[in-house]
Amino acid sequence: NAGVMQNPRHLVRRRGQEARLRCSPMKGHSHVYWYRQLPEEGLKFMVYLQKENIIDESGMPKERFSAEFPKEGPSILRIQQVVRGDSAAYFCASSPGQGGSTIYFGEGSWLTVV
Amino acid sequence: AQTVTQSQPEMSVQEAETVTLSCTYDTSENNYYLFWYKQPPSRQMILVIRQEAYKQQNATENRFSVNFQKAAKSFSLKISDSQLGDTAMYFCAFYGTASKLTFGTGTRLQVTL
Repeated sequence: NAGVMQNPRHLVRRRGQEARLRCSPMKGHSHVYWYRQLPEEGLKFMVYLQKENIIDESGMPKERFSAEFPKEGPSILRIQQVVRGDSAAYFCASSPGQGGSTIYFGEGSWLTVV
Repeated sequence: AQTVTQSQPEMSVQEAETVTLSCTYDTSENNYYLFWYKQPPSRQMILVIRQEAYKQQNATENRFSVNFQKAAKSFSLKISDSQLGDTAMYFCAFYGTASKLTFGTGTRLQVTL
């Protein structure tokens, strides 16, 4: 069984460019979460999605950040006009449903903005 | 909103010894789940153990066990027979009706020879 797959693992962008991070959940999982981890900090919730629906985006910055989880294909976290402060590890996680089902994490995508 | 507090930023333990990592949380909910995740130097987030709040029995996974005190809102992780590979950041996390994990700030554990 493949785990949660994230790509790219490492991404370097210049200030002002766009970053797209992809996440394929575990097989049979229809719930996807995105978390951000700044250097030397814990994980902060960004957004919770089900297929074609955003359930909770309370952790997403109001501007430049967006996420989707289409009917077909991976979940995408998109950051427009990146700034140095966006440099972080972005983790995707998936679960088969709600109710405390175990949530499994991908290996993370490291974004560096230069 | 739920909060999770890990009051030990760093801990050290000798190989083969036992260490306990502390976690407290604040919630008004009655049904929820608690997790410990491990983040080794590779930075991958690895599930260590999961506890359902409605179960009184403490969860155990091999050398890892928890002491869950619901009334005190405490969820500590005990690692027995510590191994060098246990060196990592350990994060406590809460999952409730908001259907998302809320993490503590982590405890950096160093296992020494």
